[in-house]
Amino acid sequence: AQSVTQLGSHVSVSEGALVLLRCNYSSSVPPYLFWYVQYPNQGLQLLLKYTTGATLVKGINGFEAEFKKSETSFHLTKPSAHMSDAAEYFCAVTTVNTGFQKLVFGTGTRLLVSP
Amino acid sequence: EPEVTQTPSHQVTQMGQEVILRCVPISNHLYFYWYRQILGQKVEFLVSFYNNEISEKSEIFDDQFSVERPDGSNFTLKIRSTKLEDSAMYFCASSEARGGGNEQFFGPGTRLTVL
Repeated sequence: AQSVTQLGSHVSVSEGALVLLRCNYSSSVPPYLFWYVQYPNQGLQLLLKYTTGATLVKGINGFEAEFKKSETSFHLTKPSAHMSDAAEYFCAVTTVNTGFQKLVFGTGTRLLVSP
Repeated sequence: EPEVTQTPSHQVTQMGQEVILRCVPISNHLYFYWYRQILGQKVEFLVSFYNNEISEKSEIFDDQFSVERPDGSNFTLKIRSTKLEDSAMYFCASSEARGGGNEQFFGPGTRLTVL
């Protein structure tokens, strides 16, 4: 069975500071990994995904994440936080098997950005 | 930009009542999903649906739940006799194709409150 652990239900940063949101996964088969963002009163929006190939993936709004198999991690980073980055961030995993892909989510991390 | 829509945004019901949550997936998508998030907990997969059939369901999706695509645009989740523990945010998602690398597009959610 797959699972995702997101350390820290809340992360606070100052505007312009580095953003680091942590995600560790457990999967018995090669994973596909995703980061979704949810702004207030909106749906989950895909930030970026790792499927195969380059382990450093770049997404929208300046975010990137690195797949580290040895550490079973897929941490999300952004060099410089903006006020508009304040939102809830969800890490999710699925597998490379064929079939209909249910996403397994972490509990989410709320990013707070202060001026 | 195409988006998944859900109605209502908030539904309040009495325990034991039936509720129907509605979703309009993106028009050219063929694969549909329901997830839910109980307050403070993980987003959990409920069911996936393709070609007018359930393709996978979780252990949460018991006989009280059903899904339907009554016409060419709507995708509904019915809960026959709601329980207090059904209170949650329910997310609909759709994808163009199956397979782990395909993005699932999420709606804004329906918050269900069972009294």
